[in-house]
Amino acid sequence: AQSVAQPEDQVNVAEGNPLTVKCTYSVSGNPYLFWYVQYPNRGLQFLLKYITGDNLVKGSYGFEAEFNKSQTSFHLKKPSALVSDSALYFCAVRDIKAAGNKLTFGGGTRVLVKP
Amino acid sequence: DVKVTQSSRYLVKRTGEKVFLECVQDMDHENMFWYRQDPGLGLRLIYFSYDVKMKEKGDIPEGYSVSREKKERFSLILESASTNQTSMYLCASSFQWNTEAFFGQGTRLTVV
Repeated sequence: AQSVAQPEDQVNVAEGNPLTVKCTYSVSGNPYLFWYVQYPNRGLQFLLKYITGDNLVKGSYGFEAEFNKSQTSFHLKKPSALVSDSALYFCAVRDIKAAGNKLTFGGGTRVLVKP
Repeated sequence: DVKVTQSSRYLVKRTGEKVFLECVQDMDHENMFWYRQDPGLGLRLIYFSYDVKMKEKGDIPEGYSVSREKKERFSLILESASTNQTSMYLCASSFQWNTEAFFGQGTRLTVV
């Protein structure tokens, strides 16, 4: 069975400092990996994805993520956080070899960026 | 832009009622999903569909059913609503398995 773990319920960071949100996954085959963000009272918005190719993926709003196959991780990063980055972040995985190809999400990490 | 529209933002239903949550997407996507979102539990997949009239159980299908009679519409049905089904329900669609999913605004369902 595929799964995603986001070990931190909340991450606090000062504005201008680097932001990292951790994600590890478990699949039997090769993964498709995604990051989404949810602002208050809004639906989920897509940030970036890893399908194949370069392990460093760049996405929306200055975010990037690095795929590490040996550590089964896909951590989200931003070099300089903004107060407006405060939101709930979700990592998701799809096992391309699993029957049904369902998209599984982690528990979410709340990011709080303080001025 | 892709638009995924859920019919209601807020619903209040009584225990035992049959509840229909509707979702419509306008981009001819093959795949559609229903999730519920609960604090601390993230998004949990209820059902998904990869074609008209096709459906697959997700991780928590008990107490729910779905219907996909047309490609653009995916309905979630609570056969007999219970208080433990009080939650935020999110619908999503995607074109292919390696493309991102687009989400609706969510329906906050309260069962009393």
